[in-house]
Amino acid sequence: QVQLVQSGAEVTKPGASVKVSCKASGYTFNSHEINWVRQANGQGLEFMGWIHPNSGNTGYAQKFQGRITMTRNTAITTAYLELSSLRFEDTAVYYCARGAYGGNRWAQDWGQGTLVTVSS
Amino acid sequence: SYVLTQAPSVSVAPGQTASIACGGDNIGSRNVHWYQQRPGQAPVLVIYDDSDRPSGIPERFSGSNSGNTATLTISRVEAGDEADYYCQVWDSSTDRYYVFGPGTTVTVL
Repeated sequence: QVQLVQSGAEVTKPGASVKVSCKASGYTFNSHEINWVRQANGQGLEFMGWIHPNSGNTGYAQKFQGRITMTRNTAITTAYLELSSLRFEDTAVYYCARGAYGGNRWAQDWGQGTLVTVSS
Repeated sequence: SYVLTQAPSVSVAPGQTASIACGGDNIGSRNVHWYQQRPGQAPVLVIYDDSDRPSGIPERFSGSNSGNTATLTISRVEAGDEADYYCQVWDSSTDRYYVFGPGTTVTVL
């Protein structure tokens, strides 16, 4: 079965960077985009961007342009999200999600989430 | 950018039907997808392409989309259906990204 297993919780300081991983299994990693969505406590879902594992192409939401980087390692079927210049308001649960086959128009499967806390 | 609207909350008695609306300008011309998020859990896809159910999702969940409103309907509501529900469309106009609605909390009385 499809599994997306994310790295553990992180506590970091304002201005620093954080890198979250998403280990995929149970499907052909190169055939589906990986999306990143975050959710602040008590808030809704916020789309951050996507990466296509096969090409490495990315698309970032404008809000995060300049401080977001998505990468992947196809040898170990793992995608990464790095967010820099962290602010208190970046405190949230970060989810990776596998895009639907043939266009990434919806998120078929989700990771368990990674809590990132930005605190001084 | 495209904006989706949802009512903050819906209450329904067990065994009754819950209707969760998602509004957007001419949303009927787009495909709408729905996610269920139980407290403390990751979202789960329950409807894609307006009305299709992924495997494992009960037939009690159905969807429709026309005009300016898409609707997720939960028939014979159970206590386990208590959750937040988010609608989502795909916006291909810029960087090909997801637009989420603000979410509706379904409370089972």
